[in-house]
Amino acid sequence: AQSVTQPDIHITVSEGASLELRCNYSYGATPYLFWYVQSPGQGLQLLLKYFSGDTLVQGIKGFEAEFKRSQSSFNLRKPSVHWSDAAEYFCAVGAGNNDMRFGAGTRLTVKP
Amino acid sequence: NAGVMQNPRHLVRRRGQEARLRCSPMKGHSHVYWYRQLPEEGLKFMVYLQKENIIDESGMPKERFSAEFPKEGPSILRIQQVVRGDSAAYFCASSPTGANSPLHFGNGTRLTVT
Repeated sequence: AQSVTQPDIHITVSEGASLELRCNYSYGATPYLFWYVQSPGQGLQLLLKYFSGDTLVQGIKGFEAEFKRSQSSFNLRKPSVHWSDAAEYFCAVGAGNNDMRFGAGTRLTVKP
Repeated sequence: NAGVMQNPRHLVRRRGQEARLRCSPMKGHSHVYWYRQLPEEGLKFMVYLQKENIIDESGMPKERFSAEFPKEGPSILRIQQVVRGDSAAYFCASSPTGANSPLHFGNGTRLTVT
């Protein structure tokens, strides 16, 4: 079965700084990859997804992610973080079945 | 265009009581998923349903937990004889086509067992 690892439990960046959140997956074929964001007390909101094609995908709120097959990674990036980006971020992988696996999440804190 | 609606938002039950969590999917979505989230953990898949059918319940405990998605009305996640370990946030998500299509999440039900 597929699995997802988010190595960083908590990341703190200064407002305006760049951001990269790591995600590694394990799956034998090309996976379906997603990034979701969760604000406190809320459900998850889809930021972006990768199914096939261009390995650099653009999402909402200025986020992008790059699929690197050789590294089994799908890292999320943003060039300049805003205070409103403080939230928890989840990487998820689907594998053609109905069981989408989520990582444990990375909590982002933004310093003023 | 309402999103996924879950109620109640907060539910407090004593040990041994029953908990019923409701989820109304987005309009036009016939695929419903339930996930459980514990502090410092990701979302754990519990069950996937389509109208009147349980498609995959491999993530759901064999005892005390059940789910349904009737032809009319919301999907229900039912936990009988709750224990303290059932305290968690339970999220429902829906999608129009299932199988790896992006999920639309509700705001969750936070169950506290006292």
